[in-house]
Amino acid sequence: GESVGLHLPTLSVQEGDNSIINCAYSNSASDYFIWYKQESGKGPQFIIDIRSNMDKRQGQRVTVLLNKTVKHLSLQIAATQPGDSAVYFCAEIKNNAGNMLTFGGGTRLMVKP
Amino acid sequence: ETGVTQTPRHLVMGMTNKKSLKCEQHLGHNAMYWYKQSAKKPLELMFVYNFKEQTENNSVPSRFSPECPNSSHLFLHLHTLQPEDSALYLCASSQDQGGYEQYFGPGTRLTVT
Repeated sequence: GESVGLHLPTLSVQEGDNSIINCAYSNSASDYFIWYKQESGKGPQFIIDIRSNMDKRQGQRVTVLLNKTVKHLSLQIAATQPGDSAVYFCAEIKNNAGNMLTFGGGTRLMVKP
Repeated sequence: ETGVTQTPRHLVMGMTNKKSLKCEQHLGHNAMYWYKQSAKKPLELMFVYNFKEQTENNSVPSRFSPECPNSSHLFLHLHTLQPEDSALYLCASSQDQGGYEQYFGPGTRLTVT
């Protein structure tokens, strides 16, 4: 069936390095994607979004890349900090599915000091 | 803080108990959501309310009963739950249904014994 999934369940990086979290999706009708960050004991927090008519969007220290050809989404975090340690989820919205969010399984990012 | 609060933060209940989860949003949003987050599973949408009306029920068992008395408050009434219902229950809100940026509460950690 259609799904949003993540390549790696856990990613460990050194403080100061760049992090790349990947996400694959299978529904070509998806037209909007969001990355959420969930810290321990908290609910998911919106990080950045991108529409399907874009291939790149930048925020503060974060960049989202969208490759529609291979249905791949990535979140890049520059100069990773200990406060970036969390679980990261990608989510997609399909206009033909009531605009409901479908979440992927999540990747845990661990930042080593 | 995201502007979405949930109480209680932790709940332990027996299978014959009846309890309720409460969610309140202080953002002036019109849509509210219940999600279930189990270990090692993606976030699962349970219910959606838009302007106090239920618009989505994602095939949720009847032992979960939502209530939305106004656009700022959302309840999830629980009765005769099963151990497999143990999970983190997250509430979220957005400006409108299908509003792409959903704001999540911290969740209620439910344990059914």
